[in-house]
Order: sequence, then structure tokens, then C-alpha cells
Amino acid sequence: DGGITQSPKYLFRKEGQNVTLSCEQNLNHDAMYWYRQDPGQGLRLIYYSQIVNDFQKGDIAEGYSVSREKKESFPLTVTSAQKNPTAFYLCASSQIVSVTYEQYFGPGTRLTVT
Amino acid sequence: QKEVEQDPGPLSVPEGAIVSLNCTYSNSAFQYFMWYRQYSRKGPELLMYTYSSGNKEDGRFTAQVDKSSKYISLFIRDSQPSDSATYLCALVGGSNYKLTFGKGTLLTVNP
Repeated sequence: DGGITQSPKYLFRKEGQNVTLSCEQNLNHDAMYWYRQDPGQGLRLIYYSQIVNDFQKGDIAEGYSVSREKKESFPLTVTSAQKNPTAFYLCASSQIVSVTYEQYFGPGTRLTVT
Repeated sequence: QKEVEQDPGPLSVPEGAIVSLNCTYSNSAFQYFMWYRQYSRKGPELLMYTYSSGNKEDGRFTAQVDKSSKYISLFIRDSQPSDSATYLCALVGGSNYKLTFGKGTLLTVNP
């Protein structure tokens, strides 16, 4: 059963702590993405990666870091430098060689920092 | 002017109604157009995609693109309570494969 998994579904952390969100895909997609979704703001791109060991900043990368050591995995670390980390985080993947560039999303992780 | 504008709603309709959801865009480089459906507290799921002006049908759903007016629409016929969700348009253009999303329209279909 192909798809994207994100864990955990809910995550609670104290302010000042770093936290890592997991994203795994078995779709054999080249590209992976991290988005943040806030009420009324739509989806905003944090980081994306086209190939292993390479990634680029999206529109709101400050306070976040990523790694891409394996094709199927793209973990996101929310650092203590992120000023407003409470949000719904979505991971997505896509095939680079595609006519339409559609992205497929995981179920999301809701992070609450207090 | 934002690249993609989408009325956030909320939109509330009775069961069986025809629903029209719309996005406008400013960048003529956008060439591929998608609609995602997102249920509450879930990830978005791809509903339809199209790349040419005109209509594309899939069951009760019709995606319409008018590139000359930079306007895209999603029509839902015979709407059902299970269609209650947030609908997001997403656009891709040029050599940049990144998606540009609208903010989403919250739809409620009342039984």
C-alpha cells in the first residue's frame, strides 16, 4: 500500500526544545516537501528536496532544518529559533519527471508548543 | 496583488446543490492547475488536475480553466454531506515545479 506516513499525529513540546517530525514515503518519488498550515493562511512551503543529500529553502525556512539522507525519508526539525512553532505540518512528495507536478500529502502532524 | 486569490468562505449549501469554487491568479506562467480536498485535521488529497483551458469532468466534479481570464473553477454537482471539506486550488508554472496554493474555501453541505 503506497503512501506517505507522518509521525506522530500529535506532538506537544515545551518552548525552547527542538523537535523532529518524521516523514516517510514508499511511492519512489524523487521530490519531497514540508509545508506549514495555519488557520486562514493556506499552505506555506518550508523546505523541499529534489534528490538525496540536497534540499532548498522554501518561503518560511527560518527556524527549521531538514535532512535527506535517504530517498524515502525527509525529517523536519523545528528548532527553538522558530518563534511561532505551533501549527499543522504537512509532508508531501512528487515525481520530478511528471507532466503535471501533482504532489501527494501525508496525514500531517499537529505540533503544539507551550 | 497575491499570486493566487481564493475566497475563504465559509460556503454553506443544502444537499443536492451545485457548488462553484473559484480561484483567480495573476501570473500567466501558471500552466498546470489542481484542486485538492482537505477534510478537517487531515492532509490534502488530490481531487483533479488539468492543464488546458476548458472543462474536465470526473463524476460529480468538473474543473474549468480560463487562461485568458486567469480564472479556475471547481463545480460539484449533486453535492453530498461527505463533500464538506476545505477545497484548495494549486497552480504550477514554468520550470518551477513548486505548487502555489490558494488559501482554501471551507464548504459545508447540509443534509
